[in-house]
Amino acid sequence: QVQLQESGPGLVRPAETLSLTCTVSGDSISAYYWNWVRQSPEKGLEWIGHINYRGSTTYSPSLESRVTVSVDTSKNQFSLKLRSVTAADTAVYFCARESYGGDSFDYWGQGTLVTVSS
Amino acid sequence: AIQLTQSPSSVSASVGDRVIITCRASQDISSALAWYQQKPGKTPKLLIYLASNLKGEVPSRFSGSGSGTDFTLTISSLQPEDFATYYCQQFNGYPLTFGGGTKVEIK
Repeated sequence: QVQLQESGPGLVRPAETLSLTCTVSGDSISAYYWNWVRQSPEKGLEWIGHINYRGSTTYSPSLESRVTVSVDTSKNQFSLKLRSVTAADTAVYFCARESYGGDSFDYWGQGTLVTVSS
Repeated sequence: AIQLTQSPSSVSASVGDRVIITCRASQDISSALAWYQQKPGKTPKLLIYLASNLKGEVPSRFSGSGSGTDFTLTISSLQPEDFATYYCQQFNGYPLTFGGGTKVEIK
């Protein structure tokens, strides 16, 4: 059974960097694309970006200037860094696996609430 | 970016009702559309991929159709566990985008 688990601070101060890690179990990260998605009442579900095991990334243009997604195959993890955060970055952050066909997100983490506040 | 517009934004229905949710794309996305169900405080759950393919273990009362710009999700006979919010997502181009959601509420 594939499982994804997000981890990281739940509170980040404005202008600092939000850092989250997604640990994958039950499957090797050395396949598929691995995604970050966030959800807020204001913006709904918003795709942030994805990475594959080789480190090939694609980001949403709206966040590209502030985002870095990286992968650590030895730990079966991938990570998100979002720089210069503001209150508008407050959201529940999910990690998700993109299906082999690239046509859906078939497994999701439970999500973690990140609040940006001083 | 490809915009997805869902309608209605909410619907009140009774157990046993047929519910139809639509998702319109701002440009042709072929069949590159998925549908998800999300309950409060929970993770989105994949229901349908490639517009009409039911994910294994999803009940057959769910079905999807459409291609190009117009898509529908149909629940043929609403069950108590189906009260949730439903989202479409397109995979035709980056950035990947989601619809605004349709909340199915108890009438």
